[in-house]
Amino acid sequence: ETGVTQTPRHLVMGMTNKKSLKCEQHLGHNAMYWYKQSAKKPLELMFVYSLEERVENNSVPSRFSPECPNSSHLFLHLHTLQPEDSALYLCASSGAGGGDTQYFGPGTRLTVL
Amino acid sequence: KQEVTQIPAALSVPEGENLVLNCSFTDSAIYNLQWFRQDPGKGLTSLLLIQSSQREQTSGRLNASLDKSSGRSTLYIAASQPGDSATYLCAVFSDKIIFGKGTRLHILP
Repeated sequence: ETGVTQTPRHLVMGMTNKKSLKCEQHLGHNAMYWYKQSAKKPLELMFVYSLEERVENNSVPSRFSPECPNSSHLFLHLHTLQPEDSALYLCASSGAGGGDTQYFGPGTRLTVL
Repeated sequence: KQEVTQIPAALSVPEGENLVLNCSFTDSAIYNLQWFRQDPGKGLTSLLLIQSSQREQTSGRLNASLDKSSGRSTLYIAASQPGDSATYLCAVFSDKIIFGKGTRLHILP
């Protein structure tokens, strides 16, 4: 499989659940990103990893915990979420950090009940 | 604080017409600007990336321009087709990446 893949594509969870989103890129890139897309709001950058080190955290609540075990995989661990966290979560990768062209996965549609 | 605005929020045009989508940003100190396309329920597809030193980029029927001094970028789509229907987002890269809210484009057959 090529490009950037994300699993699951859809997730429904209660506020007390713990779940994880997974992203995998097959492009040989060094940087990976998590974005949140809420209805009627601009896309928001959440986390940036470059060479497996977190280089940016845009004031994201601690109930979102990223993990980057290697340059091809990125996880977003979720716990005690709120209904307002319901959104489309997009993963992206690029050759390096900064302004290189980013390639996006299809996203995970998250609903928090 | 960088702000990115896309106007109009939605646009419907008949098939075959040429059209222009607009993106404006408040801080001209950018590294580059990127245009994306998003189909419903799917991720973003990169269309064009313009470095801050460039004035325009072209790919097929798409042409993107950048005027840093005025804080504007346009995406020109020639000979529009129904398959061009999607939401088009611009993103500005400076110390952070900031996205506009997008323009929802509908091409009428």
